[in-house]
Amino acid sequence: QSVLTQPPSVSAAPGQKVTISCSGTSSNIGDNYVSWYQQLPGTAPKLLIYEDDKRPSGTPHRFSGSKSGTSATLTITGLQTGDEADYYCVTLDTSLSAVVFGGGTTLTVL
Amino acid sequence: EVQLVQSGAEVKKPGESLKISCQTSGFNFNTSWIGWVRQLPGKGLEWMGIIYPGDSDIRYGPSFQGRVTISADTSVNTASLRWASLQASDTGMYYCARLITPLGWYFDLWGRGTLVTVSS
Repeated sequence: QSVLTQPPSVSAAPGQKVTISCSGTSSNIGDNYVSWYQQLPGTAPKLLIYEDDKRPSGTPHRFSGSKSGTSATLTITGLQTGDEADYYCVTLDTSLSAVVFGGGTTLTVL
Repeated sequence: EVQLVQSGAEVKKPGESLKISCQTSGFNFNTSWIGWVRQLPGKGLEWMGIIYPGDSDIRYGPSFQGRVTISADTSVNTASLRWASLQASDTGMYYCARLITPLGWYFDLWGRGTLVTVSS
């Protein structure tokens, strides 16, 4: 059971928008920045969003992050088949003194 | 080039010891946190621990304390993950990654992973 809760799967058609939620508590998301990672099949994870809503160079503007209270959201617009991957949210849990991962969400682009 | 290069796949028997490595280049190893992340077959990512090579400060994830040992050799800019006695349940992919702190706590650079298979 992951400390951060994500939906196991989401799906949408090419060109559409999808959101992936990440729910936590006051000791993790509510107290620290959130980052998001994309893991394409058979590859290592890749940083997508950091400090809640910042994009590293190389992350398309179609990907955006937001946070409100103890929940964070990854939004992907203009979906492409190449976006099919697993997505993970990550933050620090101050009470656990540990880095915590969400359980991951599999995105299917229909 | 800024990169993390992990050692190759391993096949071991239960009870055997193992040490895998993560050689870094292109950045200051001594002043960077390096973390280890486990991914069991078909499962999600789990944080195992981190090390700050400059002063060997090590933090372990709650599920991994006492089960693995994280170390670093600053002479060759390499972090390592060691098991004293492997179990079949240790079979999985292990990634090293650079952790950026103190503000955001995020992994900005990842190795390609080391596949560990433990089977009798």
